[in-house]
Amino acid sequence: GAVVSQHPSRVICKSGTSVKIECRSLDFQATTMFWYRQFPKQSLMLMATSNEGSKATYEQGVEKDKFLINHASLTLSTLTVTSAHPEDSSFYICSARVSGSPNAFGSGTRLTVV
Amino acid sequence: GESVGLHLPTLSVQEGDNSIINCAYSNSASDYFIWYKQESGKGPQFIIDIRSNMDKRQGQRVTVLLNKTVKHLSLQIAATQPGDSAVYFCAESVSGSARQLTFGSGTQLTVLP
Repeated sequence: GAVVSQHPSRVICKSGTSVKIECRSLDFQATTMFWYRQFPKQSLMLMATSNEGSKATYEQGVEKDKFLINHASLTLSTLTVTSAHPEDSSFYICSARVSGSPNAFGSGTRLTVV
Repeated sequence: GESVGLHLPTLSVQEGDNSIINCAYSNSASDYFIWYKQESGKGPQFIIDIRSNMDKRQGQRVTVLLNKTVKHLSLQIAATQPGDSAVYFCAESVSGSARQLTFGSGTQLTVLP
């Protein structure tokens, strides 16, 4: 089946720095990718939808200037958490739309801001 | 900061018993539904899906039932095994949304030896 590779799996950064998370579709072209955030013991909350070559669409309440999404190619989308603060600590998960199949998910990135 | 949210509902079953996990969805326009399994620290893993033109679909050891009248979805796992212990989420989608998924709150399934 379709495989989505997400890196890094874990990252610890200092408050005020930026962190980039990568999401790659390995064996298919992903025109649409989704980014989710998940707090402990809670569900996945959609942050934004990105389409290759265009600006991402952010969900209400998600700061687009803080969570920068780039989807410049059909196999790569990145999420950059800018000026990270402890409250941004969370589990971030990417997902890709797969034509004719269920959406594929990455393995997630545990971000800890200290 | 981290929001204070609801704790996940939990379900404990004996190994070998059948499990039933329920989900209520909110959007009457949703026409595609999926069950995912999520183990600790990992991304969601697809289990089974169903479209709104069906009310039942079976997979290997799993069955999904859809009741559109009451907007209810259930996942039945036969002969539950220790490896089935995880959090299970239902997700819904609307045609034309580029398969954008809305996730339910999840259920923590624990299989007892």
